[in-house]
Amino acid sequence: QSVLTQPPSVSGAPGQRVTISCTGSTSNIGAGYDVQWYHQLPGTAPKLLIYGNSHRPSGVPDRFSGSRSGTSASLDITGLQAEDEADYYCQSYDSSLSGWVFGGGTKLTVL
Amino acid sequence: EVQLVESGGGLVQPGGSLRLSCAASGLTFNSYWMYWVRQAPGKGLVWVSRINSDGSDTSYADSVKGRFTVSRDNARNTLYLQMNSLRAEDTAVYYCATSTVTTAYWGQGTLVTVSS
Repeated sequence: QSVLTQPPSVSGAPGQRVTISCTGSTSNIGAGYDVQWYHQLPGTAPKLLIYGNSHRPSGVPDRFSGSRSGTSASLDITGLQAEDEADYYCQSYDSSLSGWVFGGGTKLTVL
Repeated sequence: EVQLVESGGGLVQPGGSLRLSCAASGLTFNSYWMYWVRQAPGKGLVWVSRINSDGSDTSYADSVKGRFTVSRDNARNTLYLQMNSLRAEDTAVYYCATSTVTTAYWGQGTLVTVSS
């Protein structure tokens, strides 16, 4: 059971929009700790997609956007492309654990 | 270029021990909190341990508390994870990682397999 809750899977057709939710609690997201989003391809290390709730590192397309509200966060992906197929994880910091917390991961399928 | 390179993984019997290392370069290592994260085969990312920049403060996931010890040698730019009393459920790829406000760095991971 992950500390942050994500849907196990989402899917969409090319060009469509999908949203991945991430629900935490008052000791992590709700405490104001930033949310990061990673995507991961099989056999590779996670790659940072969004930092500080809504900021994109250099090189990440603006089709990816993030937001945070209360104890939750979400990742929006617009204009879906086949190359977006991957596992997506949200991550934050938890004050009661004094460490990182992750969502269980969401597998994105582009139909 | 920042690089984090893990080593020390391998096959170990239940109850055995391993020490993982993470060699850092391209960053001011002694300024960064460092983290260990693991990923069991086909499963998600799970935080394991955290150490502050000078090594004076550490924290652990409940699943490894009392069995794993994180440490660092800032003179050698190296992070360690001493893993004792290993169990089958500790089988995973272990990543070292760190982050700033605007970025994150991860190693490529090292595989630990606990099996008889």
